[in-house]
Amino acid sequence: AQRVTQPEKLLSVFKGAPVELKCNYSYSGSPELFWYVQYSRQRLQLLLRHISRESIKGFTADLNKGETSFHLKKPFAQEEDSAMYYCAPSPIRAGNMLTFGGGTRLMVKP
Amino acid sequence: DGGITQSPKYLFRKEGQNVTLSCEQNLNHDAMYWYRQDPGQGLRLIYYSQIVNDFQKGDIAEGYSVSREKKESFPLTVTSAQKNPTAFYLCASSIAGTGYGYTFGSGTRLTVV
Repeated sequence: AQRVTQPEKLLSVFKGAPVELKCNYSYSGSPELFWYVQYSRQRLQLLLRHISRESIKGFTADLNKGETSFHLKKPFAQEEDSAMYYCAPSPIRAGNMLTFGGGTRLMVKP
Repeated sequence: DGGITQSPKYLFRKEGQNVTLSCEQNLNHDAMYWYRQDPGQGLRLIYYSQIVNDFQKGDIAEGYSVSREKKESFPLTVTSAQKNPTAFYLCASSIAGTGYGYTFGSGTRLTVV
């Protein structure tokens, strides 16, 4: 069965500390991979996607096909990074269907 | 100003009633989706449509119905058969095809009273 797991429901770090939000998936083949973010009182929005190799707001995500992981990283967390983060793989043969992980709430303390 | 609009923002339903949630987009996107968001469970797919007059069930379609008569609109009806309808409902749209991100609406919070 296709599955995506975000093992941490809550991640709390201090400002300036490195951040890594974990995402593991189990899919046959190589899915497209996305991270979405939901800031307080705002809509869920696309943060980054693997296919574009972008770095958005200092975040990057590396695909590890061996471990089937797509962890989101930022070297120095800022208070404004506090939000809910969702990992979302899309199986290649499923069109543009996304399966969302359970989400990780990131809290960056001053 | 292009975007995706969900209405109403809050909706209260009595037991046994059907209610319809509206989702409209002016992004010219072919694909539209309905997700349900529950605390600690992330987003679960209810229905999706990749083209007008066609839609498919997602992972939790039981108790829900949709229609896609126009490209811009994808209303969701929560029927009385849905056993636990109290939740936050999100609509999204995207360009059809693989690798495109979703644009989300602001959501509708449905409460059964």
